[in-house]
Amino acid sequence: SQQGEEDPQALSIQEGENATMNCSYKTSINNLQWYRQNSGRGLVHLILIRSNEREKHSGRLRVTLDTSKKSSSLLITASRAADTASYFCATENSGYSTLTFGKGTMLLVSP
Amino acid sequence: DAGVIQSPRHEVTEMGQEVTLRCKPISGHDYLFWYRQTMMRGLELLIYFNNNVPIDDSGMPEDRFSAKMPNASFSTLKIQPSEPRDSAVYFCASSPYRGRIGELFFGEGSRLTVL
Repeated sequence: SQQGEEDPQALSIQEGENATMNCSYKTSINNLQWYRQNSGRGLVHLILIRSNEREKHSGRLRVTLDTSKKSSSLLITASRAADTASYFCATENSGYSTLTFGKGTMLLVSP
Repeated sequence: DAGVIQSPRHEVTEMGQEVTLRCKPISGHDYLFWYRQTMMRGLELLIYFNNNVPIDDSGMPEDRFSAKMPNASFSTLKIQPSEPRDSAVYFCASSPYRGRIGELFFGEGSRLTVL
């Protein structure tokens, strides 16, 4: 069953703009991760944020986590056409050694 | 390292046939996961192994699905007999950490079409 739910389902922006994707989840987590999937390819890990962290940065990526609201956001700054992909959040649930994925946000960055 | 290697990349078969998907995880990774991806259901965890031992197979849809990990460098997912509703992309992923999952390293997937 899905734990994370991404919002929006699809996002279309111009190069240079920022892209923000949100993820909501239902149960307590150990950590939350974001992955990227290019069309026809496997998922690639982007960033992991632990339940006791509130914000994390990696290059042009900024992830926030609000455990009180059970939500996370992924911000991609100064987007590029190469950022076009689907983005998934995944939660490692407390007490379970598994990762549960949402259905993803499809991001289209136009030149 | 070459990453997680899956084969075949594409498989087209007819209903009722046996399908075997293969995975070679990254050397030294303790965890191995099989996921299935469809448009309708997204990514679903089918089964995962820790140190070659199946830990949770509650996601395996039914008895037609079976998975094995005979050694640390090889795993198979078998569907027998296959049905059209099994059409999906099947991903294998591995994780290097002991005692926790951490980030997963995915293969490129095996796209299965059952006619």
